[in-house]
Amino acid sequence: DAGVIQSPRHEVTEMGQEVTLRCKPISGHNSLFWYRQTMMRGLELLIYFNNNVPIDDSGMPEDRFSAKMPNASFSTLKIQPSEPRDSAVYFCASSLGGQTYNEQFFGPGTRLTVL
Amino acid sequence: KQEVTQIPAALSVPEGENLVLNCSFTDSAIYNLQWFRQDPGKGLTSLLLIQSSQREQTSGRLNASLDKSSGRSTLYIAASQPGDSATYLCAVRGNTPLVFGKGTRLSVIA
Repeated sequence: DAGVIQSPRHEVTEMGQEVTLRCKPISGHNSLFWYRQTMMRGLELLIYFNNNVPIDDSGMPEDRFSAKMPNASFSTLKIQPSEPRDSAVYFCASSLGGQTYNEQFFGPGTRLTVL
Repeated sequence: KQEVTQIPAALSVPEGENLVLNCSFTDSAIYNLQWFRQDPGKGLTSLLLIQSSQREQTSGRLNASLDKSSGRSTLYIAASQPGDSATYLCAVRGNTPLVFGKGTRLSVIA
């Protein structure tokens, strides 16, 4: 299996622009998670989906952030408009099962820089 | 609210030493605890997963233990090698998905 796939790997944009991050989970996994990692705050969960349905989006920082999972093999995280404080590495992870006991597998991340 | 703490924040050891990384968590009502490795500029690689009913898990030179009642886990690395240099993160899963510690940055000096 190719593992969790994220694109782009790097994104540099200007403040105010829309940014869309993409994730393809491991085939067969039915839970998908979006995380953000910064030096100051470490790894934080933004939102997670179970069977394509958003379960908990309490970690989404504000309305500028939105996430969708139109099908079992694709998810997007959108920031509109972007701000310099959104600069971070964004990780997508997937697992088999929702409130269960299974490992999460992480993608390589998207490094976002907002100028 | 679950909080996960990892001590020390950084550790430097000579090659060949055995070492222990510590992880503590405030809410013992967890499903499992997972240890990850992160290399600079890379994603997270899962090392070991311990279910709440288990006491330890082993993979090669790595051994992770879990004491749920005291809210502690340790990751033991035997015979450390320069290739073990990375940041090690622990994460616990309870009623919300994974809550991460800030990690221990390990340097193994040849």
